[in-house]
Amino acid sequence: GQNIDQPTEMTATEGAIVQINCTYQTSGFNGLFWYQQHAGEAPTFLSYNVLDGLEEKGRFSSFLSRSKGYSYLLLKELQMKDSASYLCAVRDSNYQLIWGAGTKLIIKP
Amino acid sequence: IAGITQAPTSQILAAGRRMTLRCTQDMRHNAMYWYRQDLGLGLRLIHYSNTAGTTGKGEVPDGYSVSRANTDDFPLTLASAVPSQTSVYFCASSASGDADTQYFGPGTRLTVL
Repeated sequence: GQNIDQPTEMTATEGAIVQINCTYQTSGFNGLFWYQQHAGEAPTFLSYNVLDGLEEKGRFSSFLSRSKGYSYLLLKELQMKDSASYLCAVRDSNYQLIWGAGTKLIIKP
Repeated sequence: IAGITQAPTSQILAAGRRMTLRCTQDMRHNAMYWYRQDLGLGLRLIHYSNTAGTTGKGEVPDGYSVSRANTDDFPLTLASAVPSQTSVYFCASSASGDADTQYFGPGTRLTVL
């Protein structure tokens, strides 16, 4: 079966750095996505990785290792507005997105 | 309109009733999707459409139907609602030929009693 694993919840302090991990087992791999979802709102696109390595976009970076079936999302200089759920999704061999259950990130002052 | 809109925002429905959730996008995206999101679970694909005139079944299609008469609209119909269909429903779209980043509508919160 296909599986995406993420921690259910994480807590971090404003101004700090947090790393959210995602491991996956899917039938084929055609890219990995990270989305942010604030409570009661729609998911919004953060990043896309298809090759191994680090993609940096402002305070957010995403890393991919295809051989390990592993990705992480790194958030720097955390702000209160970063409190949200972070969803990891993998596009499989049929080009369908398989979604993790999401990691709820709580930022404390 | 900018992006994707969904209607209604929320709905309480009696079991056995028919309900259509509406989704419209103005980005001229070829592909559209319907997901349901339940607490503790990832987004699950119900139905999708890669282009106007075609539809396909996702992971959890039973009890739902869709149509794609044109590029912009992708309605989702529950023929006879059941309590297990209580969920938040998201419509999404993506442009074919690129990285297929999906863009989501604001969602419909549906409660079936």
